[in-house]
Amino acid sequence: GDKVKQSPSALSLQEGTNSALRCNFSIAATTVQWFLQNPRGSLINLFYLVPGTKENGRLKSAFDSKESYSTLHIRDAQLEDSGTYFCAAEDSNYQLIWGSGTKLIIKP
Amino acid sequence: GGIITQTPKFLIGQEGQKLTLKCQQNFNHDTMYWYRQDSGKGLRLIYYSITENDLQKGDLSEGYDASREKKSSFSLTVTSAQKNEMAVFLCASSIRTGAGQNTLYFGAGTRLSVL
Repeated sequence: GDKVKQSPSALSLQEGTNSALRCNFSIAATTVQWFLQNPRGSLINLFYLVPGTKENGRLKSAFDSKESYSTLHIRDAQLEDSGTYFCAAEDSNYQLIWGSGTKLIIKP
Repeated sequence: GGIITQTPKFLIGQEGQKLTLKCQQNFNHDTMYWYRQDSGKGLRLIYYSITENDLQKGDLSEGYDASREKKSSFSLTVTSAQKNEMAVFLCASSIRTGAGQNTLYFGAGTRLSVL
């Protein structure tokens, strides 16, 4: 099965609403990174996490290594938040294992 | 800040052709990566390199060669393009900081189509 499982696979939201994306790990993840791939295809690093939480503007992310999951919360969604969100977990061999992404569409 | 430049942006090849993709970074990062992304899918690691002249195989290395000629450049060769193949090839780089952080930065990608 998938070592890094993202959910949901796709999500459609109205502008101004909130959402939560999740990654579950079946590996012993040491760190987690979250990326946004925008509609032009560029991948932008959003967060690099050791166990704990980080916040940046309307985005907040948490990584719980004991329960083996990470979340990305988007508050007050804007049109420019549309794209595909990927999480990637680093295992004990420093290998980065990628999820298959959550495609997010923000509607006006 | 730095930048990762991938060339070409678009590549059209013929079945059986050998094709080379190039990547340059000016972050002075140690590690560089090549990923393949098929339409609507996640990223799969082809090769990575932790320093000049180093090569490490990823899960998808069969059918590809790579070369880390110098610290700033990492090239990928499709040894024999497959008919109707379409994918985006993404180059990335990273450096592990003293605090252990290993953030990846990506280029804009090379879009491959094989006729």
